[in-house]
Amino acid sequence: DVKVTQSSRYLVKRTGEKVFLECVQDMDHENMFWYRQDPGLGLRLIYFSYDVKMKEKGDIPEGYSVSREKKERFSLILESASTNQTSMYLCASSTGIGTGELFFGEGSRLTVL
Amino acid sequence: QKEVEQDPGPLSVPEGAIVSLNCTYSNSAFQYFMWYRQYSRKGPELLMYTYSSGNKEDGRFTAQVDKSSKYISLFIRDSQPSDSATYLCASDTGRRALTFGSGTRLQVQP
Repeated sequence: DVKVTQSSRYLVKRTGEKVFLECVQDMDHENMFWYRQDPGLGLRLIYFSYDVKMKEKGDIPEGYSVSREKKERFSLILESASTNQTSMYLCASSTGIGTGELFFGEGSRLTVL
Repeated sequence: QKEVEQDPGPLSVPEGAIVSLNCTYSNSAFQYFMWYRQYSRKGPELLMYTYSSGNKEDGRFTAQVDKSSKYISLFIRDSQPSDSATYLCASDTGRRALTFGSGTRLQVQP
């Protein structure tokens, strides 16, 4: 059974803290994605990666960075968390950019106080 | 203007009703159209996938794409309480990551 695992389901952090959100997939997929989901705004793409050590900015990359040192792992980093980054963060993987089925993790709910 | 627009609902229907969920999109380069279903506190899962215009049927679900009007629809026949979820439409040109609508929350009342 395919699986995308996000390390933390719920996190509470303080403004200015550095936050790491980890995502691991076991399907040997080339492509991995980070989205955030907010009420009324849907899923918005933060960053994606189509190969190890490769990354591309999505629609809302400001305030975020990513790391992909291994094929199965894609990390989202908030260098200095702010309250407007309180959101649900969803990691996904796929075999194709834009055309392949996205497999999502269960999400990480981040609250920044 | 968002590239994919979707009415957020909520949409509440009685069990057995036919449900129509709709999206519009603005980018005429979009070729791939998908519907994802997201249950509460879960990640989205692919429900239907179509390429270009036309209809696709899978059991009680029918996806319809009209590229001339840039309109995407999902029909659910004989709706069940287990269909209660948020439905997200998504599109892409095939060269970049998916663009999602904001999602429509559906509640099917038993």
